Amino acid sequence: AQRVTQPEKLLSVFKGAPVELKCNYSYSGSPELFWYVQYSRQRLQLLLRHISRESIKGFTADLNKGETSFHLKKPFAQEEDSAMYYCALLHSGNTPLVFGKGTRLSVIA
Amino acid sequence: EAGVAQSPRYKIIEKRQSVAFWCNPISGHATLYWYQQILGQGPKLLIQFQNNGVVDDSQLPKDRFSAERLKGVDSTLKIQPAKLEDSAVYLCASSSHIGMNTEAFFGQGTRLTVV
Repeated sequence: AQRVTQPEKLLSVFKGAPVELKCNYSYSGSPELFWYVQYSRQRLQLLLRHISRESIKGFTADLNKGETSFHLKKPFAQEEDSAMYYCALLHSGNTPLVFGKGTRLSVIA
Repeated sequence: EAGVAQSPRYKIIEKRQSVAFWCNPISGHATLYWYQQILGQGPKLLIQFQNNGVVDDSQLPKDRFSAERLKGVDSTLKIQPAKLEDSAVYLCASSSHIGMNTEAFFGQGTRLTVV
C-alpha cells in the first residue's frame, strides 16, 4: 500500500533560518507528490507539486526517487510560514491523494 | 471562483445519535472527495465520487457511514449511529477531473465532537 511518512510532528526554527520539512513515501511506481499547507483558521490548500518544478512562497521540493523522498525546503524562514504542512501522494490517475500525518512549522521571531 | 462550501462548521452530538454533513463543490468539478481527519493525523479518504458515481469507498465504514451525491453536484455524508471515535474534522474536496496533476480544493471542514 502507498504510504507517506512525515517524521517530525513539530519543527521550530528562528526567522531567517533555513527550513527543511521531511517527507518519505513508499510506492514502487512513479507517483506524483504534493505539499499542502494549512494556515491558522484557513482551509487546506495546495502549496506545490513536484511535476511543476516551481518555487512557491520561496519553497521548493525535489523528488528523489532513489531515496523515495520529497523534502520541502526554504532558505530563509518567515513568520508567515508558520502552518501545518502535509505531504501527499497520488499514485495513479483515478486514485485520491494519500496524506502524511503532517508537520507543524513554527517560525520564531 | 467560489470555494468548496461545507455545513455545518461544528457539530456536537451524543454517541448513538445520527448526524449529516453537507458539501457543495466548486461549480463544474466532477470529482468530489470526503476525508476524515482525526486530531494529530493527516486526512484519510472516506469516499470518492466521479459525477454521481462512487469511484472508491473502500475505507468507508459502511455499517454506519453513508454518502450520496445526487445529480452529481452536492453531496451529503451521514453517520448513523455515531461512536466516540468518529470525533474528527470531516473535509470535503473537489477537483475538476480525475487524473495526475489535478489539484484538489478543500472546504473549511466540519468539526464533529461525539460525547
